[in-house]
Amino acid sequence: DSGVTQTPKHLITATGQRVTLRCSPRSGDLSVYWYQQSLDQGLQFLIQYYNGEERAKGNILERFSAQQFPDLHSELNLSSLELGDSALYFCASSVGLGEPYEQYFGPGTRLTVT
Amino acid sequence: DAKTTQPPSMDCAEGRAANLPCNHSTISGNEYVYWYRQIHSQGPQYIIHGLKNNETNEMASLIITEDRKSSTLILPHATLRDTAVYYCIVRVLYNQGGKLIFGQGTELSVKP
Repeated sequence: DSGVTQTPKHLITATGQRVTLRCSPRSGDLSVYWYQQSLDQGLQFLIQYYNGEERAKGNILERFSAQQFPDLHSELNLSSLELGDSALYFCASSVGLGEPYEQYFGPGTRLTVT
Repeated sequence: DAKTTQPPSMDCAEGRAANLPCNHSTISGNEYVYWYRQIHSQGPQYIIHGLKNNETNEMASLIITEDRKSSTLILPHATLRDTAVYYCIVRVLYNQGGKLIFGQGTELSVKP
């Protein structure tokens, strides 16, 4: 158990819909990262927040957005869903930002778009 | 971040040492080498990281060559539970946040 929690575990929805994935980092961790894992693209970094502020962006689509709240939990919002958005979405957390801290990953949310 | 090259798959007998190589010939002086593994669609798990010196923890050892262009992750006594995809990642930490850039990794199969 990494200490990172993600809800829901599974999500099935239809094209065009909007969903919200939730992540609670390990206690004391200030950084939250979101990753997407699909069969054809592998594990890809989406976005990072540090203490409530966006810190780094990867190949995140404009239809996707995220935020980190004052209690440090984070939400990833996916809208206008397409079949290709079906993937595993992982959240990870780490203590800090610029130090060689390891990232701890949650169990993931499996999103299926039909 | 520097690109890494790993063999797509490897086999190892249970109880033997598993040696997983990684080539990172374009690594910069301020880039760390990290190893993570992913067991069957679970969240990736941190194993170990290093900059120059060899490192050891309860899970594994990391051997980095003197020129830092390659490294080897060693699982000293592999078990069936070590069957996973192993990712070697090199990254700069400061000014770029802490994102990890995953490659294709090495799929390690530990066999009885």
